Amino acid sequence: GAGVSQTPSNKVTEKGKYVELRCDPISGHTALYWYRQSLGQGPEFLIYFQGTGAADDSGLPNDRFFAVRPEGSVSTLKIQRTERGDSAVYLCASSLTPGTGLDNEQFFGPGTRLTVL
Amino acid sequence: DAKTTQPPSMDCAEGRAANLPCNHSTISGNEYVYWYRQIHSQGPQYIIHGLKNNETNEMASLIITEDRKSSTLILPHATLRDTAVYYCIVRVGRNYGQNFVFGPGTRLSVLP
Repeated sequence: GAGVSQTPSNKVTEKGKYVELRCDPISGHTALYWYRQSLGQGPEFLIYFQGTGAADDSGLPNDRFFAVRPEGSVSTLKIQRTERGDSAVYLCASSLTPGTGLDNEQFFGPGTRLTVL
Repeated sequence: DAKTTQPPSMDCAEGRAANLPCNHSTISGNEYVYWYRQIHSQGPQYIIHGLKNNETNEMASLIITEDRKSSTLILPHATLRDTAVYYCIVRVGRNYGQNFVFGPGTRLSVLP
């Protein structure tokens, strides 16, 4: 039984470069979340997808951050013109359909550790 | 979502019960209490959640006070593998796509 997977596990890039982080949710999970976790802190919400659409992107820090989920399964978080402050672990989570009462548990992936030099 | 307050760290002897407190004095009537934990270098893992009644599953027990302003997560027989950061979160149930708002959590160290 595959859980949420994220690739790459580690990404090192230079300031100003563009990066893409991938999330494969659990099959059948319609809800997908991205979080960011800085050292010593809890995860911080970025964006939530219900199906293909971004239902809540209020956590994205600025317009350098963008995420897509074109077919309602795999999602890609895209960061343009990376800055050193973007260095963090980026976590993806998925859950069953919201509102059904079956979605109380979000299943998290292992995260992608992004380092911007 | 209501804020929660947790001690930053706790120690527990292996084999003993670990009792992790959480204060959520501004919790609303429709907000549930959730507990997640995060073992080093892994994503957070769901443990348990509850509304009013005490809850128990294979991982832990959740005790919620009658006024719902605080709760305690109990790991009945802590093992070294329970060493992790434990997050107490309050959130409206019936998740209409609501994200979890994580605080800094409690770092539990289970000692041999």
